[in-house]
Amino acid sequence: QVQLQESGPGLAKPSETLSLNCAVSGYSITSGYYWGWIRQPPGKGLEWIGSSYHSGTTYYSPSLKSRVTISVDTSRNQFSLRLSSVTAADTAVYYCARHSYPSLGGSGDFDCWGQGILVTVSS
Amino acid sequence: EIVLTQSPGTLSLSPGERATLSCRASQSISSSYLTWYQHKPGQAPMILIYGASIRATGIPDRFSGSGSGTDFTLTISRLEPEDFAVYYCQHYGTSPSITFGQGTRLEIK
Repeated sequence: QVQLQESGPGLAKPSETLSLNCAVSGYSITSGYYWGWIRQPPGKGLEWIGSSYHSGTTYYSPSLKSRVTISVDTSRNQFSLRLSSVTAADTAVYYCARHSYPSLGGSGDFDCWGQGILVTVSS
Repeated sequence: EIVLTQSPGTLSLSPGERATLSCRASQSISSSYLTWYQHKPGQAPMILIYGASIRATGIPDRFSGSGSGTDFTLTISRLEPEDFAVYYCQHYGTSPSITFGQGTRLEIK
């Protein structure tokens, strides 16, 4: 059974870099899926941040591209998110998810999600 | 970028009733890349339907998806108490461009 678990600081200061990890269990991170991050600001809907393949191929949301880095660590079977120059607008619940990419035969959906982690940006 | 507009924003129904949720795209999209999710407070979102009409593994058959072009529908044939949640549609587009609708809250009447 695939399980994803986010971890990282729940608080970030304005202008600093937010860093989160997602540990994957029950499935090899090198086996045929992309791995993505999605966030949900309080009271708002879901926003895709980006997705990465273990080979290093990565896609980012155009609105966040200049500030985001997603990387996959195959040795630890986990992937990470770094979001720089954060502001209060980056306060959100951050989810990691397995991403079924069309280039790998999928439908572009997120078929397994972590529980989410609330990150608050405040001084 | 494709914009997905869901309606209604909130739907108030009773257990046993039929729920019809709409997702409209700002331009024609491939039904192969239209997905529906259920999201309950404090829980991970759960995939229900992918490819517009294919139920994900383990999803009860009271959930069904349909549509093509710009108009897509999620139908719950007979509401169970556990079905009251927020529902999102999502589209995968080229570039890639991945967008979610704003959600429909299904609440108990």
